[in-house]
Amino acid sequence: EDKVVQSPLSLVVHEGDTVTLNCSYEVTNFRSLLWYKQEKKAPTFLFMLTSSGIEKKSGRLSSILDKKELSSILNITATQTGDSAIYLCAVEFNSGYALNFGKGTSLLVTP
Amino acid sequence: DVKVTQSSRYLVKRTGEKVFLECVQDMDHENMFWYRQDPGLGLRLIYFSYDVKMKEKGDIPEGYSVSREKKERFSLILESASTNQTSMYLCASRSATDTQYFGPGTRLTVL
Repeated sequence: EDKVVQSPLSLVVHEGDTVTLNCSYEVTNFRSLLWYKQEKKAPTFLFMLTSSGIEKKSGRLSSILDKKELSSILNITATQTGDSAIYLCAVEFNSGYALNFGKGTSLLVTP
Repeated sequence: DVKVTQSSRYLVKRTGEKVFLECVQDMDHENMFWYRQDPGLGLRLIYFSYDVKMKEKGDIPEGYSVSREKKERFSLILESASTNQTSMYLCASRSATDTQYFGPGTRLTVL
């Protein structure tokens, strides 16, 4: 059973649209949730969330954690073709610092 | 800037060969990780290490071993490569208080 589930698995939008990506996780020994963006190379870090209800923001991207619902969302406003990528959600459980990754959401932004 | 480097970007090996994938980080991180990434399966943890000469199995250690003789270097070894080990291999490192940084990845093809 997957510990981290992302939805949707893929998404196609037009430039300028706003998208919301979802990530849910199991409750066991949660420490932090991270979002990464992966283009045709290694994942690059976007956000780390540890506290519920506090929005993290970077330009057109924002993310928030809901510990009660065991979930997080990643929002991208005014999407651009450069936002096309796989967005990965990862959760750190307990100690050891290893991350459990979801399968990712593949986002395609068309002109 | 944190730098994680991997010895090869692309590698082609034959079934039964012994394969070494090298990863080096320059930030004195205690923790290092090896993942493999496959379409539809996401990133899966193979092994990780939280100190020199220490190693822990991840979710899919079968067919792999690792070596960490120096803090900055973490090697992944395929003792006898098989075609089902064709994949993208990603190395990562982190400290106890920071996020996880990825190397550029090694795309391994086993013929």
